[in-house]
Amino acid sequence: DAKTTQPTSMDCAEGRAANLPCNHSTISGNEYVYWYRQIHSQGPQYIIHGLKNNETNEMASLIITEDRKSSTLILPHATLRDTAVYYCIVRVANDYSGGGADGLTFGKGTHLIIQP
Amino acid sequence: NAGVTQTPKFQVLKTGQSMTLQCAQDMNHNSMYWYRQDPGMGLRLIYYSASEGTTDKGEVPNGYNVSRLNKREFSLRLESAAPSQTSVYFCASSEYYGYTFGSGTRLTVV
Repeated sequence: DAKTTQPTSMDCAEGRAANLPCNHSTISGNEYVYWYRQIHSQGPQYIIHGLKNNETNEMASLIITEDRKSSTLILPHATLRDTAVYYCIVRVANDYSGGGADGLTFGKGTHLIIQP
Repeated sequence: NAGVTQTPKFQVLKTGQSMTLQCAQDMNHNSMYWYRQDPGMGLRLIYYSASEGTTDKGEVPNGYNVSRLNKREFSLRLESAAPSQTSVYFCASSEYYGYTFGSGTRLTVV
């Protein structure tokens, strides 16, 4: 799996958009960008994933650069409950029979602190 | 819609004792995983089962064994607990793109 680089920590004011960057310059053509977050001592929670197009769901937006070497997770209106460690992970998708299903590799992530 | 259920939530063991951590998922996922997380660290993969009937070692398998009992259940066994195994253990399952994690088992070995 390609390696990712994220800032150690970030602050954001409540109600503002939180933009979390991730560098993945060695990403391969079949690797997806995944974002997960972990709220204090809970299990990690899936946020969003993408291959090369920008993606949006009810939680966040994912912007991937055209060369796919970096991406940004956007939380459009951050709340105090968004304070968490955010992990950017690059890997292939599992196939139906479980191929490629050798687990996610977690780095240290970005500790996002939402300030009131 | 329980997702991934882990039992127990908390456990204290004495050095040398054995125990089994249980994990069950109700999403019909093929793949299941056991991770550990030490304070201030990211999650590290202990063992995984890509599909029913198969298990493989992850990054930190020493001191652990696993059993994929059926498609739903994946257990983690500590045969002789050591203080270095004090950690939070997370079970997860996956299908295609998303991984779903349980709420964790907080294990202390004294």
